[in-house]
Amino acid sequence: NSVLTQPHSVSESPGKTVTISCTRSSGSIAANYVQWYQQRPGSAPTIVIYEDIKRPSGVPDRFSGSIDTSSNSASLTISGLKSDDEADYICQSESSFNPVFAGGTKLTVL
Amino acid sequence: QVQLQESGPGLVKPSQTLSLTCTVSGGSISSDNYYWSWIRQPAGKGLEWIGRVSASGGTNYNPSLKSRVTISVDTSNNHFSLKLSSVTAADTAVYYCARDRVVEPDNWFDPWGQGTLVTVSS
Repeated sequence: NSVLTQPHSVSESPGKTVTISCTRSSGSIAANYVQWYQQRPGSAPTIVIYEDIKRPSGVPDRFSGSIDTSSNSASLTISGLKSDDEADYICQSESSFNPVFAGGTKLTVL
Repeated sequence: QVQLQESGPGLVKPSQTLSLTCTVSGGSISSDNYYWSWIRQPAGKGLEWIGRVSASGGTNYNPSLKSRVTISVDTSNNHFSLKLSSVTAADTAVYYCARDRVVEPDNWFDPWGQGTLVTVSS
């Protein structure tokens, strides 16, 4: 079992804002950077956030990342939802010097 | 723009060795600050990091797979390879290769290959 946990699914309407959480069960969320990947059905993951808050070139500024030490979690927020945002979103960090992934959250844009 | 492409058999018999190659194009596998990783995803399940290799041949492996995994690099042909021995049905998954940007102690994967399905079955 991963030290990172995400909700199984979330849903929201087009144009709205959704936030997906990634909670760390052991160790501080701030001790290692968190990355976020988007994975559409049948496709490989692509990175949308790295080092907690940074956006790779080409990723819209509708995507943003944050961490909250009080809840020991990271979050991915997507604003102005589009139908094209419907995908799995997966957080990744480090544990015991090895990369670890959470199980992913399926985002449905209603 | 760096691109990665996995290749290898799509069907492997139980107890045999799974072998895959990832060919890197659009850039050198010897680029500074990058490692090269293998990651897998069983159908309907999450991602699992298998291990990584540097251009100089240094490796790190997932402790849960370490006894069965070998990852190697061929800089002259700009590719790296995965061998997973003694496979069982539990090793059936889509296998991805990815460029691994390591900034100690953290890392991220970008870009990824398209993935290749490997089925373990007799």
